[in-house]
Amino acid sequence: NAGVTQTPKFQVLKTGQSMTLQCAQDMNHNSMYWYRQDPGMGLRLIYYSASEGTTDKGEVPNGYNVSRLNKREFSLRLESAAPSQTSVYFCASRHHRDGYTFGSGTRLTVV
Amino acid sequence: RKEVEQDPGPFNVPEGATVAFNCTYSNSASQSFFWYRQDCRKEPKLLMSVYSSGNEDGRFTAQLNRASQYISLLIRDSKLSDSATYLCVARYAGNMLTFGGGTRLMVKP
Repeated sequence: NAGVTQTPKFQVLKTGQSMTLQCAQDMNHNSMYWYRQDPGMGLRLIYYSASEGTTDKGEVPNGYNVSRLNKREFSLRLESAAPSQTSVYFCASRHHRDGYTFGSGTRLTVV
Repeated sequence: RKEVEQDPGPFNVPEGATVAFNCTYSNSASQSFFWYRQDCRKEPKLLMSVYSSGNEDGRFTAQLNRASQYISLLIRDSKLSDSATYLCVARYAGNMLTFGGGTRLMVKP
């Protein structure tokens, strides 16, 4: 099983550009999450989806939008990228009592 | 104040040493706790859950003290391959995970 797959792995954007980070899981998990990780800040929750058709804001949602396209896919969109959004982005999924499974991350640089 | 706090380290220890990390959490409503391991430039991976009675998995022992609101991870007989960042994690109602900033461990030959 692939687990959680994120694309792209690396991206450089100019300020003001938009992009969508893709995430897909093949474990039939109900819940999916988007985190960002910055040095000294740990992982912070951006948005989550407890089940197909629902999404909710996390700790740092400003500047982002999400779509839970179906049970497998949960995308994160930056409409107008800012340098403050330079970070490593992780998608994760979870099923009931299981721990989270993370994707390998997307390293985004906004210049 | 962060909800989950850890000493960032680094902890530099020789091979074979025993090392312990502590983590404190501020929200007494936390339901369950975990330790994750994160290697450099990789994703976090679940190391072990933490139970109130304490639990052991090989060389790793995790303990929870709800009264004092802290969690610990003990690693015995450290290996070079244990070098990583260890993330303390608390889960709240709604299955939200809150991560600490991580403690970096470096095991030297």
